[in-house]
Amino acid sequence: AQKVTQAQTEISVVEKEDVTLDCVYETRDTTYYLFWYKQPPSGELVFLIRRNSFDEQNEISGRYSWNFQKSTSSFNFTITASQVVDSAVYFCALKKGETSGSRLTFGEGTQLTVNP
Amino acid sequence: KAGVTQTPRYLIKTRGQQVTLSCSPISGHRSVSWYQQTPGQGLQFLFEYFSETQRNKGNFPGRFSGRQFSNSRSEMNVSTLELGDSALYLCASSLVGGPGTGELFFGEGSRLTVL
Repeated sequence: AQKVTQAQTEISVVEKEDVTLDCVYETRDTTYYLFWYKQPPSGELVFLIRRNSFDEQNEISGRYSWNFQKSTSSFNFTITASQVVDSAVYFCALKKGETSGSRLTFGEGTQLTVNP
Repeated sequence: KAGVTQTPRYLIKTRGQQVTLSCSPISGHRSVSWYQQTPGQGLQFLFEYFSETQRNKGNFPGRFSGRQFSNSRSEMNVSTLELGDSALYLCASSLVGGPGTGELFFGEGSRLTVL
């Protein structure tokens, strides 16, 4: 069975602070994909990043960076110099590699509030 | 290009009724999947359709059903509504939906309230 755990239910920071959202996953598959999505108040989930299990390179996109460590089954997400517009619920998700189609297993989400 | 469109955005039903939700995927996308989001259970996969065929199904009772039309538009139906069916129902589309794609484009959801 697959499982994604986001231990931080809510995080509150002041603008310009750096913040890291934790994600720990469980899977027995050797091929899998990890994702982060952002859900603003409007409701739609916005795709942020996809990583496959064979690519442990960290990635940086502007103020966003992701740290993927297979040894600890973690895929953490860091926002540098946070802004009020970053306030949203962030979801980490896991997909089996070859046969799961579009079936994602989501974590419980982390509500991030960035205060001015 | 237009995103994923879900209708209606909000609806209120009473227990025992049935409801149909609609999803128009991004043009050219052939895979449509549905997710239920509730405060207690989080985001849970309902089912996925690809080329009018159900390809994957989550652990939901038979009251939850769906279909996909030849133009890739999809509908989901919930019969004999229960209070616990109150949720945000999200539709997602992707180009193919197979391994290695995975970038799902989500709609804004249909918020269902069951009284």
